[in-house]
Amino acid sequence: SAVISQKPSRDICQRGTSLTIQCQVDSQVTMMFWYRQQPGQSLTLIATANQGSEATYESGFVIDKFPISRPNLTFSTLTVSNMSPEDSSIYLCSVLPGPNEQFFGPGTRLTVL
Amino acid sequence: AQSVSQHNHHVILSEAASLELGCNYSYGGTVNLFWYVQYPGQHLQLLLKYFSGDPLVKGIKGFEAEFIKSKFSFNLRKPSVQWSDTAEYFCAAGGGADGLTFGKGTHLIIQP
Repeated sequence: SAVISQKPSRDICQRGTSLTIQCQVDSQVTMMFWYRQQPGQSLTLIATANQGSEATYESGFVIDKFPISRPNLTFSTLTVSNMSPEDSSIYLCSVLPGPNEQFFGPGTRLTVL
Repeated sequence: AQSVSQHNHHVILSEAASLELGCNYSYGGTVNLFWYVQYPGQHLQLLLKYFSGDPLVKGIKGFEAEFIKSKFSFNLRKPSVQWSDTAEYFCAAGGGADGLTFGKGTHLIIQP
């Protein structure tokens, strides 16, 4: 298993600003993912962030809007850039410590005014 | 492209009632299937998973799910629900390096 923490747990931001969300894992993992859960919607995969390589983005998500860093095997950041109210969501990181089972962080609840 | 659909978005049951939440998937190749639960104010937690083998899988807290390949289904069941089962339930497919594709979720409310 893996224990994941995220910072901040929630934030309220102004339109046009950027927010960086941190994800810390208690063990070394190669594969890490970032998801978004918009209000009343399911989780949608934003990107896969593997240490030592560029993040891989899903259709509809681009690096300029959601830059990701993965400096080591226990940490990653996701930045939500030039925010608009449509970016109001819960952002979750998850890790894959074993072959198939993902563990999720508590999420960061973002509200953009 | 893979997709997961959950039939019931909101379900309200009384305690001790039986539960079945529907999940259908569309996925090319070998599929791994999951049910996650999110209790109010808590993380997503894995309830159970199916990779291969016995199509009836048992998870935590008395939940089980049956993989029916011919119907592309992976329905979640519990014979007798409790008030503490009130939560959001997500079916998901995929896993590994591809990440997970989630259904829209089912909001389950158990009335005491």
